[in-house]
Amino acid sequence: DGGITQSPKYLFRKEGQNVTLSCEQNLNHDAMYWYRQDPGQGLRLIYYSQIVNDFQKGDIAEGYSVSREKKESFPLTVTSAQKNPTAFYLCASSWDSSNYGYTFGSGTRLTVV
Amino acid sequence: SQQGEEDPQALSIQEGENATMNCSYKTSINNLQWYRQNSGRGLVHLILIRSNEREKHSGRLRVTLDTSKKSSSLLITASRAADTASYFCATDPGYSTLTFGKGTMLLVSP
Repeated sequence: DGGITQSPKYLFRKEGQNVTLSCEQNLNHDAMYWYRQDPGQGLRLIYYSQIVNDFQKGDIAEGYSVSREKKESFPLTVTSAQKNPTAFYLCASSWDSSNYGYTFGSGTRLTVV
Repeated sequence: SQQGEEDPQALSIQEGENATMNCSYKTSINNLQWYRQNSGRGLVHLILIRSNEREKHSGRLRVTLDTSKKSSSLLITASRAADTASYFCATDPGYSTLTFGKGTMLLVSP
């Protein structure tokens, strides 16, 4: 089945640690996106990539980093510089968002302990 | 920045009733999309309406778009308990990424 897979589903981070969230898609989509969701605030764009080896900052990129070495993969690293990382992280991909919208993964819930 | 704003923030109805959610936005759009999110899960694309369309149907869903008022509405007819979820509108300017609103939480009671 084609789809987009995020792992892990739950992740716990200690203060000062970097953690990496995985996002893999087998839909052959060119574009991929990372959103952060906090209660009552909807989705906020962190980073996006429209093609391999290229990515752009979204509205809240500070404290995060990404890479896009393969079409299928778009991992997100939450660095120690992100002061409030506890949130629900959603990855999405699209082929032609103006006609078909985005396909989302099932999310990773990150908690700082 | 978030462009779409859904109204109401929360809606509680009985099974069989219709549910209407509204979305307002601020700038020009190429299209507007509605998504559904079950608790703790990812979003699912429901329907897309282009700026030159006024109404669109998909099963029990009816979406309207009024570009002069910069607003859209999502109507779910004959609601079921399984429709309980959060619903988000997303605006597509045509040259950049989607911008999502904060969502409407719908509770359908049996």
